[in-house]
Amino acid sequence: DAGVIQSPRHEVTEMGQEVTLRCKPISGHDYLFWYRQTMMRGLELLIYFNNNVPIDDSGMPEDRFSAKMPNASFSTLKIQPSEPRDSAVYFCASSSPPGQGATEAFFGQGTRLTVV
Amino acid sequence: GESVGLHLPTLSVQEGDNSIINCAYSNSASDYFIWYKQESGKGPQFIIDIRSNMDKRQGQRVTVLLNKTVKHLSLQIAATQPGDSAVYFCAEIISNFGNEKLTFGTGTRLTIIP
Repeated sequence: DAGVIQSPRHEVTEMGQEVTLRCKPISGHDYLFWYRQTMMRGLELLIYFNNNVPIDDSGMPEDRFSAKMPNASFSTLKIQPSEPRDSAVYFCASSSPPGQGATEAFFGQGTRLTVV
Repeated sequence: GESVGLHLPTLSVQEGDNSIINCAYSNSASDYFIWYKQESGKGPQFIIDIRSNMDKRQGQRVTVLLNKTVKHLSLQIAATQPGDSAVYFCAEIISNFGNEKLTFGTGTRLTIIP
C-alpha cells in the first residue's frame, strides 16, 4: 500500500476562493482523521470518521469548513470561502480500531495551504 | 510586529546520551497513550503506544512510562542519534460509544547535538 495519500501537496489561493483538500486512506482502515497544524495551535483534530460516518466534528472551526467521506477510499475537506487565517498544513490520517490492537494512525504528507 | 505562537518545549541532548521527553495529560478516560515523531516537512509517525492499564512498555531504544496517579507520560530514548532530532508529540485515544478519538498534545522539539 502506498500509505495515506493527500493532494495537493501545496495550495496557494486567494481569500474568498473555495479550497478542496483530498485524502485517500489506507485500504482497510476504518478511521479517518483530519488535522490542522499551525504554529499558533499545534496539531488540532478537526473531524474524524468511522466507517465513512462523521463521528465528531467539534474541532471544525466554522461553518466555512466541511468534510465528507463518500466512500471508504476517499475523503475531502472543503473551505468555502477561504480566509488568510486558514493558512496551515492540513493532515489526513487513517487507522484500524485500537480495539483490534492497532493504535497506530498513519499520516499523509500533508497539504500546505496558503491563503493570500 | 512580534509573532506569537506555541512555546514548544525544547530539549537538546548530546549524541549518544539518553533523553527523556515528558507529557502531562488531563483526561482520565484515555484508553491508550501514544508517542509520535514528526520530522520537518513530514506527517507525524508512530513510535510506541501504551495501554492505560500498563505503566511501562519498551521498544527498540525507546521506553514509555505512564504514571496515572499524576497523569504523566514520558518517552525515554536511549543512545540518541542525529536522526532522533524531531518534534515529539504525546497523543491519546479516548473511546466513546465504540468510537476512538485521537488527539495530540503540543509537542517537544528534541535536538541531538553531534
